[in-house]
Amino acid sequence: AQSVTQLGSHVSVSEGALVLLRCNYSSSVPPYLFWYVQYPNQGLQLLLKYTTGATLVKGINGFEAEFKKSETSFHLTKPSAHMSDAAEYFCAVGRQGGKLIFGQGTELSVKP
Amino acid sequence: DAGVIQSPRHEVTEMGQEVTLRCKPISGHDYLFWYRQTMMRGLELLIYFNNNVPIDDSGMPEDRFSAKMPNASFSTLKIQPSEPRDSAVYFCASSYGTGGNNSPLHFGNGTRLTVT
Repeated sequence: AQSVTQLGSHVSVSEGALVLLRCNYSSSVPPYLFWYVQYPNQGLQLLLKYTTGATLVKGINGFEAEFKKSETSFHLTKPSAHMSDAAEYFCAVGRQGGKLIFGQGTELSVKP
Repeated sequence: DAGVIQSPRHEVTEMGQEVTLRCKPISGHDYLFWYRQTMMRGLELLIYFNNNVPIDDSGMPEDRFSAKMPNASFSTLKIQPSEPRDSAVYFCASSYGTGGNNSPLHFGNGTRLTVT
């Protein structure tokens, strides 16, 4: 069985500060890991994904995430927050041929 | 490509009425998913189809909910009769593959349903 836990339903940062959104997963098979972003009144869109290979993956808008197997984590980071980053972020875990399991989401607020 | 298209964007109805939500997936995608999003429960997978065939409907909350995919370019989610607790945003998504692998899910902008 697979599951994903996002630590913190709300995160608030100042513009220009580091963004860190935490995600831990559970999987009995090698996982595929994803971050999706949802802007207000829109559907989710893919931010980045890890399947195999390099454990540090880069996504759109300057975001990146690192797969750490020993910690079963896939935290999302961005060095400098921008006002336009305010959105809800979802971590998800999947496997080949399996359906995607989403976390509960983390709402990111960016203060000027 | 226009992306996944859902209609209507907003639906307000009275308790007991029938509600039909519609979705046009991206052309060529072989999987279609219906999700429900609420503050309390987050994002829930209701049902998904592969090549127009329902594969897993274990997330459908009650018999009042039904979904169909008569062809590769159209799907409906029907609630009959509707209840206030059905109020939520309903998303349709499509992909090549199940979404759990290399191919990402493409979401529509959702239908915000309010049942009074």
